[in-house]
Amino acid sequence: QQQVKQSPQSLIVQKGGISIINCAYENTAFDYFPWYQQFPGKGPALLIAIRPDVSEKKEGRFTISFNKSAKQFSLHIMDSQPGDSATYFCAARRHFQGAQKLVFGQGTRLTINP
Amino acid sequence: GAVVSQHPSWVICKSGTSVKIECRSLDFQATTMFWYRQFPKQSLMLMATSNEGSKATYEQGVEKDKFLINHASLTLSTLTVTSAHPEDSSFYICSAWLGTSGGLGQYFGPGTRLTVT
Repeated sequence: QQQVKQSPQSLIVQKGGISIINCAYENTAFDYFPWYQQFPGKGPALLIAIRPDVSEKKEGRFTISFNKSAKQFSLHIMDSQPGDSATYFCAARRHFQGAQKLVFGQGTRLTINP
Repeated sequence: GAVVSQHPSWVICKSGTSVKIECRSLDFQATTMFWYRQFPKQSLMLMATSNEGSKATYEQGVEKDKFLINHASLTLSTLTVTSAHPEDSSFYICSAWLGTSGGLGQYFGPGTRLTVT
């Protein structure tokens, strides 16, 4: 119940296309859902985040869609560029013993072909 | 710019020795920091929660005597890998929550690549 399931494991998209990565969760106590972008050898960088009382959030080319009833959320990257090639992680926040902890999905390796 | 820094960015040590990794929050105070471990092509695994002025809280299966955490100030947490072995080779990343007028988020350091020979 503490897991976040992410799919697909890898994704190849043509330049200019839309990249879509999906995540699902079970625990309704999760209250914050961020997406991270990680390049090889670097730490994850916070990309965009959403709270469950919002169905969509857009920042530039990145959009989170959130479906509370289905317990699913997704990241859409519009006009995908080769520089977007990275590993993306979804996450969900839970409160445990007074601390805020993130539970991460398994990651999606995104490749944008030029 | 980065809000969390780590030092060193990479380290190579011999089996049996100890290695210390520093994590600093820049321009903000962090009463709580987190230490993660990441193996190649895998997700982030939370190792422990570092609490300023008190003992760290370790996740199940993480040896607290092997991974010593000290959070001596509001901007510095350290992870010491004691008696390191080749299986401890990994990418170690720290993080801290930052709440700003622009929103709340958990920010990660750049990571430390540890190689034990």
